[in-house]
Amino acid sequence: QQQVKQSPQSLIVQKGGISIINCAYENTAFDYFPWYQQFPGKGPALLIAIRPDVSEKKEGRFTISFNKSAKQFSLHIMDSQPGDSATYFCAASSGDSNYQLIWGAGTKLIIKP
Amino acid sequence: NAGVTQTPKFQVLKTGQSMTLQCAQDMNHNSMYWYRQDPGMGLRLIYYSASEGTTDKGEVPNGYNVSRLNKREFSLRLESAAPSQTSVYFCASSPIQGGSYEQYFGPGTRLTVT
Repeated sequence: QQQVKQSPQSLIVQKGGISIINCAYENTAFDYFPWYQQFPGKGPALLIAIRPDVSEKKEGRFTISFNKSAKQFSLHIMDSQPGDSATYFCAASSGDSNYQLIWGAGTKLIIKP
Repeated sequence: NAGVTQTPKFQVLKTGQSMTLQCAQDMNHNSMYWYRQDPGMGLRLIYYSASEGTTDKGEVPNGYNVSRLNKREFSLRLESAAPSQTSVYFCASSPIQGGSYEQYFGPGTRLTVT
């Protein structure tokens, strides 16, 4: 029940296209859903996060869509650029676990020029 | 502000050797974490420290020990390294207060155990 399932494992998108990465969870106590971006040789860095009281959050070209009833959330990258090529991790946490993050397995995104 | 720093960046150990990975943060964060990252498995929590003076096991604590030396520093020790501990190790910190739960990561330590 603590798992966060992320798909796909890898994704190739043409420059200018939309990249979509999906995550699903089981624990209904989760109330914080961040996405992290990791470049090769670096640590992950927070990209965008959402709380379950909203269904969508947008920051520039990055949007999180959240479906509470389906227990799913997704990251959309609009107008994908080669600089977006990285590994993306979804995660989830809750206050009753002191906001320890439960991580998805990651998606390696390659944007082809 | 250096953020989260980790030393060393790379390390090669022989089976049975011991070593300590060092981590420090200068953001006055309460919580600190040690993760390992293996291909296809995402990030797995080894140990965490919710606040100075406390430490707790995460998902994969076997073979590791930790010390929260003070609010800034959180070290990870491998007492007797095994090839299964070959991995990239990340330290992270988080304020966990005031509605801020972002984790800030260090650059990682690449450890190979032969």
